[in-house]
Amino acid sequence: DTEVTQTPKHLVMGMTNKKSLKCEQHMGHRAMYWYKQKAKKPPELMFVYSYEKLSINESVPSRFSPECPNSSLLNLHLHALQPEDSALYLCATRDRLWNTEAFFGQGTRLTVV
Amino acid sequence: AQTVTQSQPEMSVQEAETVTLSCTYDTSESNYYLFWYKQPPSRQMILVIRQEAYKQQNATENRFSVNFQKAAKSFSLKISDSQLGDTAMYFCAFLQGAQKLVFGQGTRLTINP
Repeated sequence: DTEVTQTPKHLVMGMTNKKSLKCEQHMGHRAMYWYKQKAKKPPELMFVYSYEKLSINESVPSRFSPECPNSSLLNLHLHALQPEDSALYLCATRDRLWNTEAFFGQGTRLTVV
Repeated sequence: AQTVTQSQPEMSVQEAETVTLSCTYDTSESNYYLFWYKQPPSRQMILVIRQEAYKQQNATENRFSVNFQKAAKSFSLKISDSQLGDTAMYFCAFLQGAQKLVFGQGTRLTINP
């Protein structure tokens, strides 16, 4: 199984809503990532979890709250977002031990209205 | 901070031609990993090829090969016998500090029939 599964694929939310993005993997990878990608731009790193602990936070606003409840799951909780937060949110996982490439999910297309 | 630079925002070639995408990077690390990722309109990021900096031999994967010049900090991707399915955004990426995967700005490649 070499898949990273992200749900939902599309999400439209109001600025007062609370929603969560979910990422699941069963490859035994112990590094998990959240990226934000705007149209025609490269992915921008938001958070890195290593062995279920937050190891990198790229000064992301607190309206984005990551969570790694176990080694297979990664969540991104969203609250009070702004229209400029509309983007493609990508999850990626990597085998921390062997420094291999990152495997990406198909992303969640988020629209904030 | 490590940076990755792709100087060609867009490229276009005819099917079956060979095309080379450029990437340069800046780092003070001696051992690191470099990747080329492909992102078609379906938006899934797919690994094309990887290169470990300690290996002098250039990586090759079927029609894809790299020209890795460590001293010059250059990592170009050559696509031979290009196919319509190669049309995509191509991102050069650098694995920094064994955790942080940083992307260049991308090159939009179009293969014309």
